[in-house]
Amino acid sequence: KAGVTQTPRYLIKTRGQQVTLSCSPISGHRSVSWYQQTPGQGLQFLFEYFSETQRNKGNFPGRFSGRQFSNSRSEMNVSTLELGDSALYLCASWDSGNTIYFGEGSWLTVV
Amino acid sequence: GENVEQHPSTLSVQEGDSAVIKCTYSDSASNYFPWYKQELGKGPQLIIDIRSNVGEKKDQRIAVTLNKTAKHFSLHITETQPEDSAVYFCAASVMSNTGKLIFGQGTTLQVKP
Repeated sequence: KAGVTQTPRYLIKTRGQQVTLSCSPISGHRSVSWYQQTPGQGLQFLFEYFSETQRNKGNFPGRFSGRQFSNSRSEMNVSTLELGDSALYLCASWDSGNTIYFGEGSWLTVV
Repeated sequence: GENVEQHPSTLSVQEGDSAVIKCTYSDSASNYFPWYKQELGKGPQLIIDIRSNVGEKKDQRIAVTLNKTAKHFSLHITETQPEDSAVYFCAASVMSNTGKLIFGQGTTLQVKP
């Protein structure tokens, strides 16, 4: 069974640009959550989706948004990028048993 | 809000020794406690988890204990090997059926051969 797949793995953007990251959950998982990981703040919850609906949202500005499609795939978008948005963005999927599995992440560098 | 404290931040042991990492959570409603191992350049990998109705769980060289009264849970790794070297994160969830986890700050474990 394939794990959580995230694309792209690495990307570099310029301040003010926007970025879209993609996530394909484990087959059969209908829920997806997103996290930001930085050396200073650690792992922080961004938001989660179930059946195309956002269920929970973390304490991040409105520049961070996401969506989920009918096939459970998810995207997150960050607009008007700031240097502080440089981070590893992790997607996780989970099943009804609440076991949460993470992907390898997308490394975003903002210059 | 919910908070998870993790100690120590770094831990160095000799190969074959045991390693213990401790976490404390603030919200007594927390009911799910996973542990993740993260190697350099990779995403967190689930290594073991425990739910609030269980006091202890073991999987080969790894065990987790939970003390709900003290709001404290620990990861125990026995017979450590160099490949156990990584960053370990504890986490807690206050809701059922959710992908929202509150993470500890992480422990960098170094196993010296």
